[in-house]
Amino acid sequence: RKEVEQDPGPFNVPEGATVAFNCTYSNSASQSFFWYRQDCRKEPKLLMSVYSSGNEDGRFTAQLNRASQYISLLIRDSKLSDSATYLCVVNMGIKAAGNKLTFGGGTRVLVKP
Amino acid sequence: EAQVTQNPRYLITVTGKKLTVTCSQNMNHEYMSWYRQDPGLGLRQIYYSMNVEVTDKGDVPEGYKVSRKEKRNFPLILESPSPNQTSLYFCASSLYTRGGYYNEQFFGPGTRLTVL
Repeated sequence: RKEVEQDPGPFNVPEGATVAFNCTYSNSASQSFFWYRQDCRKEPKLLMSVYSSGNEDGRFTAQLNRASQYISLLIRDSKLSDSATYLCVVNMGIKAAGNKLTFGGGTRVLVKP
Repeated sequence: EAQVTQNPRYLITVTGKKLTVTCSQNMNHEYMSWYRQDPGLGLRQIYYSMNVEVTDKGDVPEGYKVSRKEKRNFPLILESPSPNQTSLYFCASSLYTRGGYYNEQFFGPGTRLTVL
């Protein structure tokens, strides 16, 4: 079983609609969680951190469910520019490994007019 | 401008011909890391470095070497490349905080390597 799993999609979303997708992680000791965005063939960039209480950044809402070991990302009022691959990222917080991140395979989102 | 740079951006080479991919950051970050990205497998860490002269293996280190002689540079060396090392490679850097706390990693633009 992969440490971090995502539905690869694609999620085809009409412009203006809401889309949500999850990511599951296998290690209950995972400490920090993030969503990164990656445009085609470009470098990943941090979209938002995911906090235990859930957090919102504009049209984006992230949730963490430690009991079921998943995180989610919801995008409201989708824009064409939201088309990208969204990477679920987990940090174990192990001191010896520094900032080691474990990435999911990504969920592709296509927003269409 | 704060950035991570990688060179070359694209490289086609042949099996067994040694190559180096350079990575440089201008943010005075202690932590640097190399990842490879393959379809369906996500990004996997190859090697990382927590400071000058301190390097360690990631999840997929076989066939790769690194060095960290200066804080800003973290080259990735393939002594004898093979076709299974054809991939998209990313270098990343971040501050390093003792205690394992996470600091945002900044990625370079990527190097697309093809080994024939």
